[in-house]
Amino acid sequence: KNEVEQSPQNLTAQEGEFITINCSYSVGISALHWLQQHPGGGIVSLFMLSSGKKKHGRLIATINIQEKHSSLHITASHPRDSAVYICAVLGSGNTPLVFGKGTRLSVIA
Amino acid sequence: DSGVTQTPKHLITATGQRVTLRCSPRSGDLSVYWYQQSLDQGLQFLIQYYNGEERAKGNILERFSAQQFPDLHSELNLSSLELGDSALYFCASSFFGHTGELFFGEGSRLTVL
Repeated sequence: KNEVEQSPQNLTAQEGEFITINCSYSVGISALHWLQQHPGGGIVSLFMLSSGKKKHGRLIATINIQEKHSSLHITASHPRDSAVYICAVLGSGNTPLVFGKGTRLSVIA
Repeated sequence: DSGVTQTPKHLITATGQRVTLRCSPRSGDLSVYWYQQSLDQGLQFLIQYYNGEERAKGNILERFSAQQFPDLHSELNLSSLELGDSALYFCASSFFGHTGELFFGEGSRLTVL
């Protein structure tokens, strides 16, 4: 069974700070998703990774397959980045997505 | 706007009742997924359909069932509802499977009283 651990659970940052959210998983995977859930409840897919690094605007996601670890970085954080960030992993074969419990980020102006 | 439409947005019902949640996937997407998000369990995968056929099953209770219709919209049926079924139910779609980008609906918030 694939366990997904995220850290930290909660994070408060000042506007402009560089933020890192971590995700570790226990078994081999074929893909990893980073999701953003806003206070209203809606979920947006930020990245889907199977190796290396992806960048979109101020967001950067990296994955290290050997270490079973991924990070989501936010540069120049802004209050509108306040949300819950969720890591989800897809095992090999036709296994379903397994979700982490999320990291609640609050960015204060 | 993700292009995925879920109805209803909110639903309040009583224990023992049955409800149907509806999802229209993004145009062109063949896969539809259902997820449950409760306060204590976080997001959990329920079931996946691909082009009308069940593809994968997760932690879906026997009281719950789903189907995907020829026009690719999907319905999640929840019956004999219990208090613990109160949750946000999300639908997502993708062109392929979970190795492609996922597009989420805004969710259906179910409250069982």
